[in-house]
Amino acid sequence: DSGVTQTPKHLITATGQRVTLRCSPRSGDLSVYWYQQSLDQGLQFLIQYYNGEERAKGNILERFSAQQFPDLHSELNLSSLELGDSALYFCASSPQTGRNIQYFGAGTRLSVL
Amino acid sequence: GENVEQHPSTLSVQEGDSAVIKCTYSDSASNYFPWYKQELGKRPQLIIDIRSNVGEKKDQRIAVTLNKTAKHFSLHITETQPEDSAVYFCAASIYSGGSNYKLTFGKGTLLTVNP
Repeated sequence: DSGVTQTPKHLITATGQRVTLRCSPRSGDLSVYWYQQSLDQGLQFLIQYYNGEERAKGNILERFSAQQFPDLHSELNLSSLELGDSALYFCASSPQTGRNIQYFGAGTRLSVL
Repeated sequence: GENVEQHPSTLSVQEGDSAVIKCTYSDSASNYFPWYKQELGKRPQLIIDIRSNVGEKKDQRIAVTLNKTAKHFSLHITETQPEDSAVYFCAASIYSGGSNYKLTFGKGTLLTVNP
């Protein structure tokens, strides 16, 4: 167990809908990262938050948004869902020391039907 | 931005043989290179990492080498065992100040160790 908690484990929804994925980082970690993993694209970095502020952005679609709350948990919001959004979504957290060890949660498997 | 290429995409070895996975990166500012192992349906887990001020690092049966001049790094697994079967990802990190540690991943290598 990495200490990073993601809920829900599985999510099945329909095209056009909106979902929220939740992540609780390891105790003491201020940074949270979101990744999308699909079969043909590997692990794609979406966005990073540090202590409530957005710090880095990757290939995140405009239909997707995220935030980090004062208690440091983070949510990834996916709207106007399309079939191609079906994927595993991972959250990772890292400590503030020099080594950037990112600890991954178990992921949320999103299926858009 | 950073681009990480990983080869091969699949690798099949006999138990007890060695396995080598190679990655190249594009941005010379990258200074941290972790390797993650992901078993089917599980989370990626860090197995070894190396910083740019070190050329080689070993941890039991696994080792990583880094050539900064050529901008490539490799994972070496010796005496492979069936439980080493998994997808392995390399990554490169560009430190952009403050707490920015964006990881760029390679596309992964599916390693199969045949008993």
